[in-house]
Amino acid sequence: DAGVTQSPTHLIKTRGQHVTLRCSPISGHKSVSWYQQVLGQGPQFIFQYYEKEERGRGNFPDRFSARQFPNYSSELNVNALLLGDSALYLCASSLAASGVIDTQYFGPGTRLTVL
Amino acid sequence: RKEVEQDPGPFNVPEGATVAFNCTYSNSASQSFFWYRQDCRKEPKLLMSVYSSGNEDGRFTAQLNRASQYISLLIRDSKLSDSATYLCVVNPYSGNTPLVFGKGTRLSVIA
Repeated sequence: DAGVTQSPTHLIKTRGQHVTLRCSPISGHKSVSWYQQVLGQGPQFIFQYYEKEERGRGNFPDRFSARQFPNYSSELNVNALLLGDSALYLCASSLAASGVIDTQYFGPGTRLTVL
Repeated sequence: RKEVEQDPGPFNVPEGATVAFNCTYSNSASQSFFWYRQDCRKEPKLLMSVYSSGNEDGRFTAQLNRASQYISLLIRDSKLSDSATYLCVVNPYSGNTPLVFGKGTRLSVIA
Protein backbone atom coordinates (compact mmCIF):
# COMPACT_ATOMS: atom_id res chain seq x y z
CA ASP A 1 0.00 0.00 0.00
CA ALA A 2 1.18 3.49 -0.78
CA GLY A 3 2.07 5.65 2.17
CA VAL A 4 1.50 9.36 2.52
CA THR A 5 2.73 11.19 -0.56
CA GLN A 6 3.72 14.82 -0.82
CA SER A 7 4.65 17.07 -3.70
CA PRO A 8 6.88 18.66 -4.61
CA THR A 9 9.83 17.16 -2.74
CA HIS A 10 11.89 20.34 -2.96
CA LEU A 11 11.02 23.91 -3.75
CA ILE A 12 12.95 27.16 -3.95
CA LYS A 13 11.08 30.45 -3.79
CA THR A 14 11.94 34.09 -3.18
CA ARG A 15 10.60 36.37 -0.49
CA GLY A 16 7.10 37.64 -1.15
CA GLN A 17 6.11 34.75 -3.38
CA HIS A 18 3.38 32.28 -2.65
CA VAL A 19 3.62 28.48 -2.49
CA THR A 20 1.20 25.53 -2.60
CA LEU A 21 2.19 22.18 -1.11
CA ARG A 22 0.19 19.02 -1.70
CA CYS A 23 -0.46 15.88 0.29
CA SER A 24 -2.27 12.61 -0.41
CA PRO A 25 -3.08 10.56 2.67
CA ILE A 26 -2.95 6.81 3.02
CA SER A 27 -5.96 5.21 1.34
CA GLY A 28 -8.86 5.14 3.78
CA HIS A 29 -7.44 7.84 6.04
CA LYS A 30 -9.71 10.83 6.48
CA SER A 31 -7.56 13.12 8.60
CA VAL A 32 -4.61 15.17 7.44
CA SER A 33 -2.34 17.30 9.59
CA TRP A 34 0.38 19.71 8.52
CA TYR A 35 3.57 20.38 10.47
CA GLN A 36 6.50 22.72 9.93
CA GLN A 37 9.97 21.56 10.92
CA VAL A 38 12.69 24.17 11.02
CA LEU A 39 16.26 22.89 11.07
CA GLY A 40 17.27 21.71 14.53
CA GLN A 41 13.74 21.75 15.92
CA GLY A 42 10.92 19.26 16.26
CA PRO A 43 7.89 19.54 13.97
CA GLN A 44 5.38 22.26 14.90
CA PHE A 45 1.67 21.80 14.26
CA ILE A 46 0.09 24.06 11.63
CA PHE A 47 -3.35 22.65 10.69
CA GLN A 48 -5.51 19.57 11.05
CA TYR A 49 -8.38 18.64 8.76
CA TYR A 50 -10.89 15.87 9.15
CA GLU A 51 -13.67 15.15 6.67
CA LYS A 52 -12.85 18.40 4.85
CA GLU A 53 -13.32 20.53 7.96
CA GLU A 54 -10.62 22.35 9.87
CA ARG A 55 -10.30 20.71 13.27
CA GLY A 56 -7.30 22.55 14.62
CA ARG A 57 -4.93 25.39 13.92
CA GLY A 58 -1.51 26.01 15.39
CA ASN A 59 0.13 29.32 16.20
CA PHE A 60 0.91 30.40 12.65
CA PRO A 61 0.04 33.70 10.91
CA ASP A 62 -2.85 34.11 8.50
CA ARG A 63 -0.41 33.83 5.61
CA PHE A 64 -0.77 30.09 6.15
CA SER A 65 -3.96 28.45 4.94
CA ALA A 66 -5.03 24.96 4.01
CA ARG A 67 -7.92 22.93 2.72
CA GLN A 68 -8.95 19.33 2.30
CA PHE A 69 -10.66 17.96 -0.78
CA PRO A 70 -13.45 15.36 -1.12
CA ASN A 71 -10.84 12.68 -1.84
CA TYR A 72 -9.14 13.65 1.48
CA SER A 73 -6.04 15.05 -0.17
CA SER A 74 -4.93 18.40 1.13
CA GLU A 75 -3.14 21.58 0.14
CA LEU A 76 -1.13 23.94 2.31
CA ASN A 77 -0.77 27.48 1.01
CA VAL A 78 1.68 30.07 2.24
CA ASN A 79 1.50 33.65 1.01
CA ALA A 80 4.04 36.47 1.17
CA LEU A 81 6.90 34.10 1.93
CA LEU A 82 9.53 35.12 4.47
CA LEU A 83 13.03 33.79 4.91
CA GLY A 84 11.86 32.19 8.15
CA ASP A 85 9.37 30.03 6.27
CA SER A 86 12.27 27.92 5.02
CA ALA A 87 11.61 24.51 6.53
CA LEU A 88 10.57 20.93 5.95
CA TYR A 89 6.78 20.80 5.65
CA LEU A 90 5.37 17.48 6.78
CA CYS A 91 1.95 16.03 6.15
CA ALA A 92 0.59 13.31 8.41
CA SER A 93 -2.48 11.19 7.86
CA SER A 94 -4.57 9.08 10.20
CA LEU A 95 -7.85 7.19 10.22
CA ALA A 96 -9.07 9.61 12.85
CA ALA A 97 -12.45 8.60 14.03
CA SER A 98 -13.36 11.35 16.44
CA GLY A 99 -12.36 10.65 20.01
CA VAL A 100 -9.98 7.87 19.11
CA ILE A 101 -6.27 8.03 19.78
CA ASP A 102 -4.77 7.26 16.42
CA THR A 103 -1.32 6.84 14.93
CA GLN A 104 -0.24 9.59 12.58
CA TYR A 105 1.85 8.52 9.59
CA PHE A 106 4.12 11.10 8.05
CA GLY A 107 4.90 11.72 4.41
CA PRO A 108 8.45 12.41 3.18
CA GLY A 109 7.92 16.15 3.39
CA THR A 110 8.47 19.11 1.11
CA ARG A 111 11.68 21.01 1.70
CA LEU A 112 11.01 24.70 1.08
CA THR A 113 13.86 27.16 0.73
CA VAL A 114 13.04 30.87 0.65
CA LEU A 115 15.78 33.12 -0.73
CA ARG B 1 8.42 26.00 30.25
CA LYS B 2 8.27 24.20 26.92
CA GLU B 3 5.52 21.62 26.47
CA VAL B 4 7.97 18.80 25.75
CA GLU B 5 11.62 18.96 26.73
CA GLN B 6 14.34 16.49 25.86
CA ASP B 7 18.01 15.95 26.64
CA PRO B 8 19.89 18.34 24.36
CA GLY B 9 22.37 15.77 23.06
CA PRO B 10 24.10 14.90 20.85
CA PHE B 11 24.92 11.47 22.21
CA ASN B 12 27.98 9.79 20.70
CA VAL B 13 28.27 6.17 21.82
CA PRO B 14 30.24 3.10 20.71
CA GLU B 15 28.52 0.12 19.18
CA GLY B 16 27.12 -2.18 21.83
CA ALA B 17 26.58 0.59 24.38
CA THR B 18 23.36 1.21 26.25
CA VAL B 19 21.95 4.71 25.89
CA ALA B 20 19.01 6.37 27.62
CA PHE B 21 16.98 9.36 26.49
CA ASN B 22 14.82 11.36 28.86
CA CYS B 23 11.88 13.63 28.23
CA THR B 24 9.53 15.70 30.39
CA TYR B 25 6.16 17.17 29.47
CA SER B 26 4.29 20.06 31.03
CA ASN B 27 0.62 19.17 30.52
CA SER B 28 -0.36 16.75 33.27
CA ALA B 29 -3.56 15.88 31.40
CA SER B 30 -1.66 14.53 28.39
CA GLN B 31 -3.17 11.34 27.11
CA SER B 32 -0.70 9.48 24.95
CA PHE B 33 3.01 9.37 24.42
CA PHE B 34 5.35 8.23 21.69
CA TRP B 35 8.93 8.02 20.56
CA TYR B 36 9.54 8.80 16.90
CA ARG B 37 12.77 8.28 15.05
CA GLN B 38 13.91 10.69 12.33
CA ASP B 39 16.80 9.98 10.00
CA CYS B 40 18.69 12.87 8.45
CA ARG B 41 16.51 14.75 5.95
CA LYS B 42 13.72 12.19 6.27
CA GLU B 43 10.28 12.18 7.87
CA PRO B 44 9.65 11.10 11.47
CA LYS B 45 8.63 7.47 11.87
CA LEU B 46 6.89 5.97 14.85
CA LEU B 47 9.34 3.93 16.91
CA MET B 48 7.02 2.97 19.73
CA SER B 49 4.13 4.11 21.85
CA VAL B 50 4.76 4.54 25.56
CA TYR B 51 2.49 3.01 28.19
CA SER B 52 2.32 3.49 31.94
CA SER B 53 3.23 -0.15 32.47
CA GLY B 54 6.34 0.25 30.34
CA ASN B 55 6.84 -1.54 27.09
CA GLU B 56 9.66 -3.27 25.30
CA ASP B 57 10.33 -3.95 21.64
CA GLY B 58 13.52 -5.89 21.12
CA ARG B 59 16.43 -3.70 22.20
CA PHE B 60 14.15 -0.73 22.91
CA THR B 61 12.36 -0.09 26.20
CA ALA B 62 10.06 2.84 26.87
CA GLN B 63 8.83 3.98 30.28
CA LEU B 64 6.26 6.53 31.39
CA ASN B 65 5.99 8.09 34.83
CA ARG B 66 2.79 10.14 34.93
CA ALA B 67 3.40 11.43 38.45
CA SER B 68 6.73 12.94 37.39
CA GLN B 69 5.55 13.72 33.84
CA TYR B 70 8.61 11.92 32.57
CA ILE B 71 9.18 9.61 29.61
CA SER B 72 12.28 7.59 28.82
CA LEU B 73 13.69 5.48 26.02
CA LEU B 74 16.44 2.93 26.58
CA ILE B 75 18.37 1.42 23.71
CA ARG B 76 20.48 -1.62 24.52
CA ASP B 77 23.32 -3.04 22.40
CA SER B 78 23.42 0.02 20.12
CA LYS B 79 23.89 -0.60 16.41
CA LEU B 80 25.31 1.75 13.80
CA SER B 81 21.84 1.77 12.24
CA ASP B 82 20.40 3.31 15.43
CA SER B 83 22.09 6.61 14.53
CA ALA B 84 19.24 9.09 14.13
CA THR B 85 17.34 11.82 15.96
CA TYR B 86 14.88 10.56 18.55
CA LEU B 87 11.80 12.70 19.07
CA CYS B 88 9.71 12.59 22.23
CA VAL B 89 6.08 13.17 21.28
CA VAL B 90 3.00 13.88 23.38
CA ASN B 91 -0.68 13.98 22.49
CA PRO B 92 -2.05 16.47 25.03
CA TYR B 93 -5.70 15.59 24.53
CA SER B 94 -7.89 12.59 24.01
CA GLY B 95 -8.75 11.70 20.47
CA ASN B 96 -6.88 12.39 17.29
CA THR B 97 -5.41 15.78 18.11
CA PRO B 98 -2.16 17.41 17.02
CA LEU B 99 1.05 15.96 18.31
CA VAL B 100 3.50 18.03 20.33
CA PHE B 101 7.12 17.23 19.58
CA GLY B 102 10.28 17.79 21.54
CA LYS B 103 13.30 19.19 19.74
CA GLY B 104 14.80 15.75 19.44
CA THR B 105 18.04 14.22 20.60
CA ARG B 106 20.64 13.19 18.07
CA LEU B 107 22.31 9.83 18.54
CA SER B 108 25.49 8.81 16.74
CA VAL B 109 26.63 5.23 17.20
CA ILE B 110 30.30 4.89 16.39
CA ALA B 111 32.10 1.74 15.23
